[in-house]
Amino acid sequence: DVKVTQSSRYLVKRTGEKVFLECVQDMDHENMFWYRQDPGLGLRLIYFSYDVKMKEKGDIPEGYSVSREKKERFSLILESASTNQTSMYLCASHSGGENNEQFFGPGTRLTVL
Amino acid sequence: ELKVEQNPLFLSMQEGKNYTIYCNYSTTSDRLYWYRQDPGKSLESLFVLLSNGAVKQEGRLMASLDTKARLSTLHITAAVHDLSATYFCAVLSRKLVFGKGTKLTVNP
Repeated sequence: DVKVTQSSRYLVKRTGEKVFLECVQDMDHENMFWYRQDPGLGLRLIYFSYDVKMKEKGDIPEGYSVSREKKERFSLILESASTNQTSMYLCASHSGGENNEQFFGPGTRLTVL
Repeated sequence: ELKVEQNPLFLSMQEGKNYTIYCNYSTTSDRLYWYRQDPGKSLESLFVLLSNGAVKQEGRLMASLDTKARLSTLHITAAVHDLSATYFCAVLSRKLVFGKGTKLTVNP
C-alpha cells in the first residue's frame, strides 16, 4: 500500500513564525503536491514537484515556498505565517504510469493565531 | 484552462434510495478520479477511470466516464448512512483539477 505521511495532524503557530510542513511518501513516486482545503473553496494547489530539486507553482503559491531535496520528501514552508493561512493542508503523491493515481496524506490542520 | 464542475453540491437523501452525482469538465482528458472525504479526514481514492466508456463498481457506488460528453457520473444504489461523506471528482490535465465536491447526507 502506498503510504503518504505528514509530520503533524494539528499545528498551532503564531503570526510571523516560520512554519515547516513535512510530507514523506514511501512508493518512489516522482510527483508530489501540496494543497490547501478551505470550506467553500475546495482544494487549491499551492506547489508541486515532478522531480528532486524541481518545483513548480500551483494556483496559490503566494506566501509559501517548498523544498524537495530527496525524492521521498516534499516540504511546504510558510515563510511568515499569517492568520489567512489557517487551513487544512494536504500532501499528495502521484504514481504516474498507466494508472496515474494520486494518494493523499492524512492532512495537517494548521491554525495561525 | 480546465474547469471541473460537480452537481449537486449538496445532496440529502433517504436510506434505500438511488441517486447520481454528475461531474462535467471543460477540456479533453481521458483520466478521471473519484475521491471520498469524511469530515476532518483526508481524501480516499474510490475510482480511477482511464478511458471512454469505463465503468467501475465498488459496493453501492458505480462510476462511469464518457469522454466525448466530458461527463462522469457517480451512481449511488440503495444508499446507506455509511455513505454520508463529501465526494470529489478530479480530472487530469498536467495536474489534477478538482471539482468543489458534493456533500452527501444519507438520512435513516
